[in-house]
Amino acid sequence: EVQLVESGGGLVKPGGSLRLSCAASGFTVSNAWMQWARQAPGKGLEWVGRIKSKTDGGTTDYTAPVKGRFTISRDDSKNTLYLQMNSLQSEDTAVYYCNTFLHETKNAYWGQGTLVTVSS
Amino acid sequence: EIVMTQSPATLSVSPGERATLSCRASQSVSSNLVWYQQKPGQAPRLLIYDASTRATGIPARFSGSGSGTEFTLTISSLQSEDFAVYYCQQYTTWPYTFGQGTKLEIK
Repeated sequence: EVQLVESGGGLVKPGGSLRLSCAASGFTVSNAWMQWARQAPGKGLEWVGRIKSKTDGGTTDYTAPVKGRFTISRDDSKNTLYLQMNSLQSEDTAVYYCNTFLHETKNAYWGQGTLVTVSS
Repeated sequence: EIVMTQSPATLSVSPGERATLSCRASQSVSSNLVWYQQKPGQAPRLLIYDASTRATGIPARFSGSGSGTEFTLTISSLQSEDFAVYYCQQYTTWPYTFGQGTKLEIK
């Protein structure tokens, strides 16, 4: 069974840093294109960034609001995806989700989300 | 970036009736479009990908159509569990972009 479990959210002060983790099971993270998305309280969904599969180069892309501050990486030995967030701002307050689409199962999988609150 | 616009913002429909949700792209996204359903406190659930293909396990009452810039999600006979927020999202070009959502509420 495919499962994604995020962790690492919490309360952080403006300008601070936080690292989110997304532990995957049921598939190999390095073989998939993985994404992070977020949802501010009461708002719609917004993409944060993505990392391509190893066979597709493993490169990363980010959206404008987080470019230069957020970094996506993965640890193949732990089958885990990460989102390093630096220089956090109040506008980054949101539930953060990791997700992927698997062609083998023709379905998308999302974690349960982890809440990041940026406040003094 | 490609702007996705959904209409209406809120749709009130009675159980058993048909619901039609629209999504428009600011430029062609071919058929690279998905529809998600989201209920309060839950992660989004994929309904449709490639504009018209149902994801695994999605009931046949959900159908998607369109290509280019105009897309439609149709729910043929609304069940109580279908009342939620629906998002379209293009994946033809990074950054992927979501529409602002349509809230489907009970009439």
